Amino acid sequence: DGGITQSPKYLFRKEGQNVTLSCEQNLNHDAMYWYRQDPGQGLRLIYYSQIVNDFQKGDIAEGYSVSREKKESFPLTVTSAQKNPTAFYLCASSKGEHQPQHFGDGTRLSIL
Amino acid sequence: QKEVEQNSGPLSVPEGAIASLNCTYSDRGSQSFFWYRQYSGKSPELIMFIYSNGDKEDGRFTAQLNKASQYVSLLIRDSQPSDSATYLCAVYSNSGYALNFGKGTSLLVTP
Repeated sequence: DGGITQSPKYLFRKEGQNVTLSCEQNLNHDAMYWYRQDPGQGLRLIYYSQIVNDFQKGDIAEGYSVSREKKESFPLTVTSAQKNPTAFYLCASSKGEHQPQHFGDGTRLSIL
Repeated sequence: QKEVEQNSGPLSVPEGAIASLNCTYSDRGSQSFFWYRQYSGKSPELIMFIYSNGDKEDGRFTAQLNKASQYVSLLIRDSQPSDSATYLCAVYSNSGYALNFGKGTSLLVTP
């Protein structure tokens, strides 16, 4: 089955620690995205990538980093500079510009 | 900042009724519009998308777009308790890659 796989489902971060969230898709989509969702809030865009080896900052990129070395993979690193990382992180992909985005099941990140 | 506004609800409708969900957007140049359903604790699921003015129907769902008035709506006919969820409206910016989401409308369908 084609889809988007996010791992882990739950993640805990210690103070001063960087953590990496995985996102893999087998839909052959060119574009991939990372969003953050806080309770009772809509989704906010962290980073997106239109093609391999290229990515753009979204509205809340500070404290996060990404890479896009393969078409299928778009990992997100939450760095120690992100002071309020507790949230539901969602990865999505689309065929391209103005196309529907499809989401993975998400990763819940909490601080220990 | 491109804004997408939704009434947070909750919107309560009886089973079998029509649920009407509304969304307004601020960017007049927006071209593509989406509705997602999100159950509590789950990720968003695409329900409908619409690009042109007018209505688009898919089963019990109808998306309506009025670009002149800058609103998009979602109608759910014959509402079922399983439709109880938060519905997110999303609009692409001119870049075609930055999708702006509203905060969602909570729908409760009562038996």
